[in-house]
Amino acid sequence: TQLLEQSPQFLSIQEGENLTVYCNSSSVFSSLQWYRQEPGEGPVLLVTVVTGGEVKKLKRLTFQFGDARKDSSLHITAAQPGDTGLYLCAGVNSGNTPLVFGKGTRLSVIA
Amino acid sequence: DAGVTQSPTHLIKTRGQHVTLRCSPISGHKSVSWYQQVLGQGPQFIFQYYEKEERGRGNFPDRFSARQFPNYSSELNVNALLLGDSALYLCASSLKTSVNTGELFFGEGSRLTVL
Repeated sequence: TQLLEQSPQFLSIQEGENLTVYCNSSSVFSSLQWYRQEPGEGPVLLVTVVTGGEVKKLKRLTFQFGDARKDSSLHITAAQPGDTGLYLCAGVNSGNTPLVFGKGTRLSVIA
Repeated sequence: DAGVTQSPTHLIKTRGQHVTLRCSPISGHKSVSWYQQVLGQGPQFIFQYYEKEERGRGNFPDRFSARQFPNYSSELNVNALLLGDSALYLCASSLKTSVNTGELFFGEGSRLTVL
């Protein structure tokens, strides 16, 4: 069974601080997705990283896929209260196998 | 344009009862997937349907079943409810046919509480 371990599980920071959350696995994925889920809503796709070592930026969010395609990180610069939510990573396999989700990192940004 | 819509948004059942959850995909999306998200966990894959055919099934007991209708809407049925079935049930639609689809669009979910 493929597992994605996300850390930290919970993170509470002040507005303006920087943070990094991690998504690690012992398995190789063909690509990896990051979602954000706000209370009372479903997850919303933020980005898909495909190539080992790939870096993608989405405004203040920087996503990196590990060289071996087993891990990924999400870095947020100058966090805002609107960044509050549950950040989920999901591994994508080749073939007809479903997405594997991590348990998520619950981020709280305090104004 | 309307996103993925799910109903009901909240419901409470007792052990042994059955429940039917409904999902309407984004217009033009022919694939619907169902996920279970238990508190404190990430979503777990239950089913995927495309063109009314089951294309994938997760590690869930036979008490869980689903179907897709000609208009691509879908129902998830759970029989003989257990306390452990309490969760947020998420429906996601997509354009692609395979379960490891490129992008999933999730609804807000149906929160089921089993007492």
